Amino acid sequence: AQRVTQPEKLLSVFKGAPVELKCNYSYSGSPELFWYVQYSRQRLQLLLRHISRESIKGFTADLNKGETSFHLKKPFAQEEDSAMYYCALSDNAGGTSYGKLTFGQGTILTVHP
Amino acid sequence: DAGVTQSPTHLIKTRGQQVTLRCSPKSGHDTVSWYQQALGQGPQFIFQYYEEEERQRGNFPDRFSGHQFPNYSSELNVNALLLGDSALYLCASSFPGGYTYEQYFGPGTRLTVT
Repeated sequence: AQRVTQPEKLLSVFKGAPVELKCNYSYSGSPELFWYVQYSRQRLQLLLRHISRESIKGFTADLNKGETSFHLKKPFAQEEDSAMYYCALSDNAGGTSYGKLTFGQGTILTVHP
Repeated sequence: DAGVTQSPTHLIKTRGQQVTLRCSPKSGHDTVSWYQQALGQGPQFIFQYYEEEERQRGNFPDRFSGHQFPNYSSELNVNALLLGDSALYLCASSFPGGYTYEQYFGPGTRLTVT
């Protein structure tokens, strides 16, 4: 069974400091990994996906299949990055991703001024 | 485009009752997924509807059922409510095509069972 683990419930950093939100997964197939973010009073939204290998709002995440990790990183945190972050895995049944997401428990990131 | 909409916003029910939650997908989307998010937890997949049929299902009992209408909107029904069903219920829509589906989430319906 697939599982996503986010070991930190809370993470606090100061503005300008580097930030890394950890995500580990277990999945027998070829996973698709995502980071979703929920800002205060807003709905859950996609931040980035591993397949795109893109940087969004300064965040990057690299899929490490050897360590089964997909950590989210940003070199210089900003106050507006304060939010709840969820790592999620999508199954890939028969080569077609139907989009069923398995979420981690989430990490609340607080960036202090 | 208002994106994914859900109704009602909040709901209070008594144990043993039945509840229906509604979702309208984002314009152009034809796939609807439902998630349950208990307090302090990440969302958990309930099921997904495509072409008016349940395509995938998570580890939820048969008390949880759904429906998708020809206009792609969807309903989530929960029978014989338990206290443990109290949660935020999220609807997400997506469209097929491409290798990866991006899911757009609604604001959720907060269900409280007393």
